Amino acid sequence: DAGVIQSPRHEVTEMGQEVTLRCKPISGHNSLFWYRQTMMRGLELLIYFNNNVPIDDSGMPEDRFSAKMPNASFSTLKIQPSEPRDSAVYFCASSPSSTVLYNEQFFGPGTRLTVL
Amino acid sequence: AQSVTQLDSQVPVFEEAPVELRCNYSSSVSVYLFWYVQYPNQGLQLLLKYLSGSTLVKGINGFEAEFNKSQTSFHLRKPSVHISDTAEYFCAVSVNTGNQFYFGTGTSLTVIP
Repeated sequence: DAGVIQSPRHEVTEMGQEVTLRCKPISGHNSLFWYRQTMMRGLELLIYFNNNVPIDDSGMPEDRFSAKMPNASFSTLKIQPSEPRDSAVYFCASSPSSTVLYNEQFFGPGTRLTVL
Repeated sequence: AQSVTQLDSQVPVFEEAPVELRCNYSSSVSVYLFWYVQYPNQGLQLLLKYLSGSTLVKGINGFEAEFNKSQTSFHLRKPSVHISDTAEYFCAVSVNTGNQFYFGTGTSLTVIP
């Protein structure tokens, strides 16, 4: 299996532009997570999906952020408009079970976003 | 509220020396505990996890951790570190009252030749 695939790996954009990050989870996994990692705040859970349905989006920082999972093999995280403080590494992870409590999460390589 | 505390943000250690990375959690209910490792420019990988049973858990790359319920700790240990162990280590906890998962702030382990 190719693992969790994220694209792009690096994104540099200007303030005010729309940014879309993409994730393909491991085939057969039922749960998908979006995380943001910064030096200041560490690793933050933004949102997670279970069987394509958003379960907990309490970590989404504000309305500029939105996430979708139109099918079991694809998810997007969109920032519109982007701001310099959104600069971070964004990770997508998937898990083989709907019960996230005790199952391993498999992380993608991350997307490094820089907003100028 | 549940939380995970990693007491050391940076741990330098000489090659072949032992290391302990500390993790404490706060929860009044049952928890499941995890350690993940993040090598430079990569995503996180699971090192080991505690779900139930024996409190001493062995993971990959020679790491082990011990669950101590009375001290609410889950410290990670390795008797002899290698240069390749240089990485960021994250403790995580999930709480058995809902699908909540919390990561600690991470400990940066640097192995010195």
